[in-house]
Amino acid sequence: KAGVTQTPRYLIKTRGQQVTLSCSPISGHRSVSWYQQTPGQGLQFLFEYFSETQRNKGNFPGRFSGRQFSNSRSEMNVSTLELGDSALYLCASSLGHLAGALTDTQYFGPGTRLTVL
Amino acid sequence: AQSVTQLGSHVSVSEGALVLLRCNYSSSVPPYLFWYVQYPNQGLQLLLKYTTGATLVKGINGFEAEFKKSETSFHLTKPSAHMSDAAEYFCAVSVTNAGKSTFGDGTTLTVKP
Repeated sequence: KAGVTQTPRYLIKTRGQQVTLSCSPISGHRSVSWYQQTPGQGLQFLFEYFSETQRNKGNFPGRFSGRQFSNSRSEMNVSTLELGDSALYLCASSLGHLAGALTDTQYFGPGTRLTVL
Repeated sequence: AQSVTQLGSHVSVSEGALVLLRCNYSSSVPPYLFWYVQYPNQGLQLLLKYTTGATLVKGINGFEAEFKKSETSFHLTKPSAHMSDAAEYFCAVSVTNAGKSTFGDGTTLTVKP
């Protein structure tokens, strides 16, 4: 079974631009979560999508948004980029069933390294 | 809200020595607890997880962790370190589903020959 894939792997943007990152989950997984990883703040939860609906949201400004498609693929968008948005953005997929939380496991992609100049 | 504290941002051990990475959590409801490993320029890989039942959890690569409710701890151990264990390790907690986890700051493990 193919793992979680993220594209692109590396991205360089300038301040003020916007960026879209893509995540393809493991086949059959309906939950996709996004995390931001930086040396200073560590791993921080951005949001989770399940069946095309945002189910959970972290404490990030509205410049960070996402969506999920009917095939469970997800995109994350950051508008008006700031220098502080430079980070590794990780996507993780899981089955996502709350009733199955005991057995559910997140599988992470390799991440997209975003550099904002 | 839940939180995780990993004690020690850097741990160094000799090859063959015991590995002990510490994690304490805070949660108002019974938590699900996870340990992940991250190698440079890669995503996170699940080592093991605790949900309910047996408090000693065995994971991949010889790692195990013990859930101690009275101490709110979930420390990760491995009897004998290998050079390939050098990586960053993250403890995480979730109270709903795996999709929303709170991570600790990570511990970088160095293994000396």
